[in-house]
Amino acid sequence: QVQLVQSGAEVRKPGASVKVSCKASGYSFTTFDINWVRQATGQGLEWMGWMNPNNGYSGYAQKFQGRVTMTRSTSTSTAYLELSSLRSEDTAVYYCARGNSGDHVGEAWFDPWGQGSLVIVSS
Amino acid sequence: SSELTQDPAVSVALGQTVRITCQGDSLRVYYASWYQQKPGQAPVLVLYGRNKRPSGIPDRFSGSRSGNTASLTITGAQAEDEADYHCNSRDTSGYHGWVFGGGTKLTVL
Repeated sequence: QVQLVQSGAEVRKPGASVKVSCKASGYSFTTFDINWVRQATGQGLEWMGWMNPNNGYSGYAQKFQGRVTMTRSTSTSTAYLELSSLRSEDTAVYYCARGNSGDHVGEAWFDPWGQGSLVIVSS
Repeated sequence: SSELTQDPAVSVALGQTVRITCQGDSLRVYYASWYQQKPGQAPVLVLYGRNKRPSGIPDRFSGSRSGNTASLTITGAQAEDEADYHCNSRDTSGYHGWVFGGGTKLTVL
């Protein structure tokens, strides 16, 4: 079945970097964008950016410009999110999600989602 | 970038009908998609596009759109429908971005 499996929880100190992985299976990895979304405890979902696994192109939400890098390994069908200069406000669960487009103009959605990776930033 | 607005909380009596709304300018151009999220779990897609349901989602879930407002309707809400519901759509700002609503906590009484 189509699924995304993410790496485990990470603890980092403020100012450090973290790299989260998202391994895809059950479909052609290079055919669909991978998006990254985060959720702080008790908060809503926040879109961070997208990455095209076919060519490596990416686009980031303005809030994360300069701190985020999204990459991939086509040989292992794995997408990566790296966030640098971490601060306590970056403590959250980070999700990867496959982007899909439909037959009708304007149809687009995320499915499936990874199980989430908890990142804790604490001194 | 665009914004999507949702009511923070909605309640419904067991077996009754409830509508959860999502409002934003991007919805005049793009369809909303809807995700159900239960505590400690990842979001799950329940509706997308022109009122489409993924396999396994009950037909009591339906969607509609009018102007800049998208709606998720649950007809005959069940106890297991108690969850957070998030809407999202593509952003109209032109950089292939996306935007999420703040989420609605649905309580089934």
